[in-house]
Amino acid sequence: AQRVTQPEKLLSVFKGAPVELKCNYSYSGSPELFWYVQYSRQRLQLLLRHISRESIKGFTADLNKGETSFHLKKPFAQEEDSAMYYCALSGRGGSEKLVFGKGTKLTVNP
Amino acid sequence: KAGVTQTPRYLIKTRGQQVTLSCSPISGHRSVSWYQQTPGQGLQFLFEYFSETQRNKGNFPGRFSGRQFSNSRSEMNVSTLELGDSALYLCASSLPAGSDTQYFGPGTRLTVL
Repeated sequence: AQRVTQPEKLLSVFKGAPVELKCNYSYSGSPELFWYVQYSRQRLQLLLRHISRESIKGFTADLNKGETSFHLKKPFAQEEDSAMYYCALSGRGGSEKLVFGKGTKLTVNP
Repeated sequence: KAGVTQTPRYLIKTRGQQVTLSCSPISGHRSVSWYQQTPGQGLQFLFEYFSETQRNKGNFPGRFSGRQFSNSRSEMNVSTLELGDSALYLCASSLPAGSDTQYFGPGTRLTVL
């Protein structure tokens, strides 16, 4: 079964501190992994995807197939990073179905 | 390009009624997916349409249905509404190039009384 687990519903850090949002997945095959973000009063938007291997807004995420994890990291959190973060996966080969985790609300305190 | 638009933005219905929600994808996008978002269950996939055909379906009862038109616009319908159908319904569009980036609309907030 496809499943995405984000163990932390809430995460609070201080500005300038490192932040890591955890994501573990269950999928029989080779999934594509994504991080979506939803800022206050804005629509859900893609933050990054593992196949791009890029850093967006200072965030990076590495796919660890052995641990089936796709944790999101940023070395120095900013107040504007406060938002709801969702980890999601989809299958390869044309399936557009996204399976989302329950989300982690990140608060960056000044 | 204009983003994904959804109408109406808010709806209030009573139990037993039916409702139709509309989604206009980004120009050129041919795949449209629908999701239900609730505080308890989070974001759950409803169905996905591509070229007017349902290509994928989530685990929702048959009361939930959808369709896509030739211009890629999509509608979803919920019949015999239940209190538990109260949710934010999100539409997302993408280019049909495998697992491409999905662009989300603002959602329709449905309240069932």
